[in-house]
Amino acid sequence: AQKITQTQPGMFVQEKEAVTLDCTYDTSDQSYGLFWYKQPSSGEMIFLIYQGSYDEQNATEGRYSLNFQKARKSANLVISASQLGDSAMYFCAMRETGTYKYIFGTGTRLKVLA
Amino acid sequence: KAGVTQTPRYLIKTRGQQVTLSCSPISGHRSVSWYQQTPGQGLQFLFEYFSETQRNKGNFPGRFSGRQFSNSRSEMNVSTLELGDSALYLCASSLDSGQGAREQYFGPGTRLTVT
Repeated sequence: AQKITQTQPGMFVQEKEAVTLDCTYDTSDQSYGLFWYKQPSSGEMIFLIYQGSYDEQNATEGRYSLNFQKARKSANLVISASQLGDSAMYFCAMRETGTYKYIFGTGTRLKVLA
Repeated sequence: KAGVTQTPRYLIKTRGQQVTLSCSPISGHRSVSWYQQTPGQGLQFLFEYFSETQRNKGNFPGRFSGRQFSNSRSEMNVSTLELGDSALYLCASSLDSGQGAREQYFGPGTRLTVT
């Protein structure tokens, strides 16, 4: 069965430093997509980055990069040069191409310190 | 391009009542999903509609139902409200041709309080 695991309920990082948010997944499907979303205190979920299961290169979007290790079934989000505005809840998600189902992890609350 | 819109943004209902929430997806998006978010249970998938058909359903009781119209707008209905239905209800749309997994874009949510 599909499963997304985020083992870090909360993390702190100093402003301008890099931080890695962990995500592991479980699926029996060969074709799937991995996503990261940010949810600020306002509540709206913001799409950050996408990695396809067949993509050989790690995805990058500005200060966000996804460290995709397929054999380990991990899809960690790396935020470089953290900013105060990065303080939010971060969710890892997966969607199997065959079933179209999205599942989300429990989230990691990131606090950036000045 | 306008984002996903949800109405109303806030709603207060009493137990036993029913409620209808509305979601307008991004233009061109045919997939609409609904999620319930609570502090205790996190983000839970309710159902997904694609081209007016329910394509996926989560593990929620039959009191939760939805539909999608030909213009891709979607509504979610909860009947016989219970206190535990108090939550943030998020709608998300996706440009999904059925050929692959694509990212979802979320609306601001409807915060439902049941008293």
